[in-house]
Amino acid sequence: EDKVVQSPLSLVVHEGDTVTLNCSYEVTNFRSLLWYKQEKKAPTFLFMLTSSGIEKKSGRLSSILDKKELSSILNITATQTGDSAIYLCAVGIKGGSEKLVFGKGTKLTVNP
Amino acid sequence: GAVVSQHPSWVICKSGTSVKIECRSLDFQATTMFWYRQFPKQSLMLMATSNEGSKATYEQGVEKDKFLINHASLTLSTLTVTSAHPEDSSFYICSGGVGGVADTQYFGPGTRLTVL
Repeated sequence: EDKVVQSPLSLVVHEGDTVTLNCSYEVTNFRSLLWYKQEKKAPTFLFMLTSSGIEKKSGRLSSILDKKELSSILNITATQTGDSAIYLCAVGIKGGSEKLVFGKGTKLTVNP
Repeated sequence: GAVVSQHPSWVICKSGTSVKIECRSLDFQATTMFWYRQFPKQSLMLMATSNEGSKATYEQGVEKDKFLINHASLTLSTLTVTSAHPEDSSFYICSGGVGGVADTQYFGPGTRLTVL
């Protein structure tokens, strides 16, 4: 069974802190790994990673994939209260029935 | 960017009634549409994948007679929860995919269903 595990499940930090969110996976036919941010409604796309070792960056957020360790991290530097959300990791499965398998998410709370 | 809408955004219904949720891709053609369910403090669980003009493929454990999916056009898919019960109360999210590739999905804003 395809599985995506995120840790920690929740995290509370102060503004300005740096956080690292983890995602590990066990899947049959890996295609890609994606990170999403979910506030009150549907997830919004952050990153898609397909190659190991290449960091993707967008402002204060960055992410990297390690295919050997079957994992990825999402870093957020200089956190702000607006970063408070659930961060979801998903793995794209390739094959006859393409789909995304989601982890349970990490709930990040950034306090002022 | 690609926009997906869902209607209604929330619905409350009585047990035993059927509820239809619409998912529309507004500015692109979604060759594939995905339906997810999200329970409180849980992740998105894929319910089914549908391709325009063909029958939906349901994930294991999802009753296809209870959750009817129709993907009549490249811009519209509907999910009908038939004979809804309180345990069907959840957040339902659809997404539109392009080119049959699951990692390019654009999510709708979701529909909160509460069954009394």
